[in-house]
Amino acid sequence: GQQVMQIPQYQHVQEGEDFTTYCNSSTTLSNIQWYKQRPGGHPVFLIQLVKSGEVKKQKRLTFQFGEAKKNSSLHITATQTTDVGTYFCAGRDSGGSNYKLTFGKGTLLTVNP
Amino acid sequence: GAVVSQHPSWVICKSGTSVKIECRSLDFQATTMFWYRQFPKQSLMLMATSNEGSKATYEQGVEKDKFLINHASLTLSTLTVTSAHPEDSSFYICSARKGAGGEQFFGPGTRLTVL
Repeated sequence: GQQVMQIPQYQHVQEGEDFTTYCNSSTTLSNIQWYKQRPGGHPVFLIQLVKSGEVKKQKRLTFQFGEAKKNSSLHITATQTTDVGTYFCAGRDSGGSNYKLTFGKGTLLTVNP
Repeated sequence: GAVVSQHPSWVICKSGTSVKIECRSLDFQATTMFWYRQFPKQSLMLMATSNEGSKATYEQGVEKDKFLINHASLTLSTLTVTSAHPEDSSFYICSARKGAGGEQFFGPGTRLTVL
């Protein structure tokens, strides 16, 4: 079945440093979504990427979808303590069900003030 | 907005009892609802997908007779953990989707502890 791999598993940075998490799918995706889960909280939708090579920005967050639609990345510029949490990517298989998302294992980001 | 609520937010029960968790979409009609389980420091594992008025579709390895799902209306889905055991202790999260292929809105989760 479809597998979504995410690296790194953990990342600890000093406030102000940049952060990137990478997501790779074993199959071509119709779209990919990113979620953020704060400690003790539930996942919150950040963004959805659909087009090959798509790049979207939300303030200090930059999301990219690979040309082959099998990988994606989330980059945070100048991290802040409010960025702490686990970032999950979730992909929808282009060849499978149109509703099922497969989540990566997530990257836990901690920021040292 | 799109708000999803879950009740209860936490529950502690004795081994062998059944626990029902409710998931409601408060301000939209959800054609599809999803139930996930998340163990500490791990990812979300999809348990089942439920569509209003039809039987739920369970993921491989999830026992449908143990995790009963009822999607009675476009705003309510319930998950019943029957004869719960300590290994069922986990964080159960539901999500709801408005239409086909869109983002999922997650509920706040239910933390189940089985003694």
